[in-house]
Amino acid sequence: RKEVEQDPGPFNVPEGATVAFNCTYSNSASQSFFWYRQDCRKEPKLLMSVYSSGNEDGRFTAQLNRASQYISLLIRDSKLSDSATYLCVVNRPSNTGKLIFGQGTTLQVKP
Amino acid sequence: DADVTQTPRNRITKTGKRIMLECSQTKGHDRMYWYRQDPGLGLRLIYYSFDVKDINKGEISDGYSVSRQAQAKFSLSLESAIPNQTALYFCATSDFGQGVGTDTQYFGPGTRLTVL
Repeated sequence: RKEVEQDPGPFNVPEGATVAFNCTYSNSASQSFFWYRQDCRKEPKLLMSVYSSGNEDGRFTAQLNRASQYISLLIRDSKLSDSATYLCVVNRPSNTGKLIFGQGTTLQVKP
Repeated sequence: DADVTQTPRNRITKTGKRIMLECSQTKGHDRMYWYRQDPGLGLRLIYYSFDVKDINKGEISDGYSVSRQAQAKFSLSLESAIPNQTALYFCATSDFGQGVGTDTQYFGPGTRLTVL
């Protein structure tokens, strides 16, 4: 089992659609969770950290379910500019400072 | 100005050549990392450093070496480049903290390396 698993997609959606990505992680002791966005051939950039209570940033909502070891990202009112690969990222426990990156889910928003 | 910079941005080299990739940061972070990214394989950790005197191997360190010249600089060397080291290389930095999200990593723009 991979340490962080994501559906690679691609997800093809029309502008204005709502789309959800899911991610599972294997180590129940992980404490930090993130969603990063990566555009083609560019560096990953932090989209949002994921907190236990769930958090929202504009059109983006992240949820964490520790019992199921599951993280989600919801994008509402998709824009063309949301087209990218979204990486689910989890820390290695015991304050190692290391992160584990999922392979990413590709989103293509079409006019 | 970018907080994390990498040089060169693109490099084509030949098998057997020694090559160095450089990373500099102005974020004041103690922790620095080198990753490679290959299609379908995601980001894999090569080496990481928690301060100038603390350097550690990652998942795929064979064929690579690193040098932490200062808090702000972390270099990756390929001693004798081979074609399967063709990849996109990223440097990243992070702060140290105990709270949630304090281990966020910030990436440089990447170096695209091709070994012929």
